[in-house]
Amino acid sequence: DQQVKQNSPSLSVQEGRISILNCDYTNSMFDYFLWYKKYPAEGPTFLISISSIKDKNEDGRFTVFLNKSAKHLSLHIVPSQPGDSAVYFCAASVYSGGGADGLTFGKGTHLIIQP
Amino acid sequence: AAGVIQSPRHLIKEKRETATLKCYPIPRHDTVYWYQQGPGQDPQFLISFYEKMQSDKGSIPDRFSAQQFSDYHSELNMSSLELGDSALYFCASSLSGRAYEQYFGPGTRLTVT
Repeated sequence: DQQVKQNSPSLSVQEGRISILNCDYTNSMFDYFLWYKKYPAEGPTFLISISSIKDKNEDGRFTVFLNKSAKHLSLHIVPSQPGDSAVYFCAASVYSGGGADGLTFGKGTHLIIQP
Repeated sequence: AAGVIQSPRHLIKEKRETATLKCYPIPRHDTVYWYQQGPGQDPQFLISFYEKMQSDKGSIPDRFSAQQFSDYHSELNMSSLELGDSALYFCASSLSGRAYEQYFGPGTRLTVT
């Protein structure tokens, strides 16, 4: 049972426009959510995270929005640049108190930025 | 900036052999996580350590074990390797209590033949 779902395997966006990557989840116990970017043959690169008590977090060109009632989050990239072409993973975790919680990942969305 | 270091980067083993993967976290990070990513799959959480103690456990097979040492580096030991163990193995690290900000290493590609 996939608890974190990224229903779009790929997304194509023109350079300079906004890229919107979506993620849905089923586990209402998730306490925080993360977005990672991944190039082939490299490890995932941490982009941004958001706590379940917030509905928005912003860092430079990246903004994550969380809608808890809909169990949905999205990553906005503005403006999109050619170097943003990569696979984007949504991940989530439950805070267990131990402070070293493992992440549950979605299957990723391949973002392609077109010139 | 220093990143997570994993060694070796590539490893080829035969069925029923053993393998040891090493992970050196970012300096000052005391928490380490291990993930397995099969071909075309999303990363699956295996196990994590904080202050040399196991903290969280995911879908780690009984044939695998891991530990964290006093310098915070970690090793993943895999025995009785099976063809299905062929995957990318990622290590991530974070500061204590900041599992919402995990930084990943480049991964070790394990091929079991």
